[in-house]
Amino acid sequence: QQQVKQSPQSLIVQKGGISIINCAYENTAFDYFPWYQQFPGKGPALLIAIRPDVSEKKEGRFTISFNKSAKQFSLHIMDSQPGDSATYFCALPHYSGAGSYQLTFGKGTKLSVIP
Amino acid sequence: EAGVTQSPTHLIKTRGQQVTLRCSPISGHTSVYWYQQALGLGLQFLLWYDEGEERNRGNFPPRFSGRQFPNYSSELNVNALELEDSALYLCASSPRDRSHNEQFFGPGTRLTVL
Repeated sequence: QQQVKQSPQSLIVQKGGISIINCAYENTAFDYFPWYQQFPGKGPALLIAIRPDVSEKKEGRFTISFNKSAKQFSLHIMDSQPGDSATYFCALPHYSGAGSYQLTFGKGTKLSVIP
Repeated sequence: EAGVTQSPTHLIKTRGQQVTLRCSPISGHTSVYWYQQALGLGLQFLLWYDEGEERNRGNFPPRFSGRQFPNYSSELNVNALELEDSALYLCASSPRDRSHNEQFFGPGTRLTVL
């Protein structure tokens, strides 16, 4: 089964600072790198996603960068705000035979943005 | 548009009991996924249902089972509950004709096993 290693486990950032979360994966081809955001008491929600044919995707203050040679993709949150305080998960799709599919999640990064 | 709904919100059971969790997907979504979110372990994939059929299963024992109904709602059943089954159980749905990868999650059911 595909493994994805997410770091750091927790992160404290000053308001206005940059938050960086990394995910490393094993040698498997796949077509999609999503990041999910989860607030306390809520289910995760898709935040941003990237295809492996591009090295970077930006949506507002959130940027995903992809380093194929290092087998790593990262989430950058620019100008971090207290409202960004949540747990962030990277995920990888894993396809097996006969159309079988599952999404493998990292263990999550708890981000706290302090005023 | 109503989101994914799950019931109950919270549940307390004792070891050895059985539990049934319910999920209603977003209207028009035919795929339903179940995940277990235990403390410190992230989201662990349990089951994927589509068009009433079980399409994939994660590394969980057979006492975790489920089904999907003709209206695409789903149930997750856990038999012979163990203490380590205490977790947040999340249901997600996605439309069948789009990429499998965008999943819309419900708020979860918090299960406590005593």
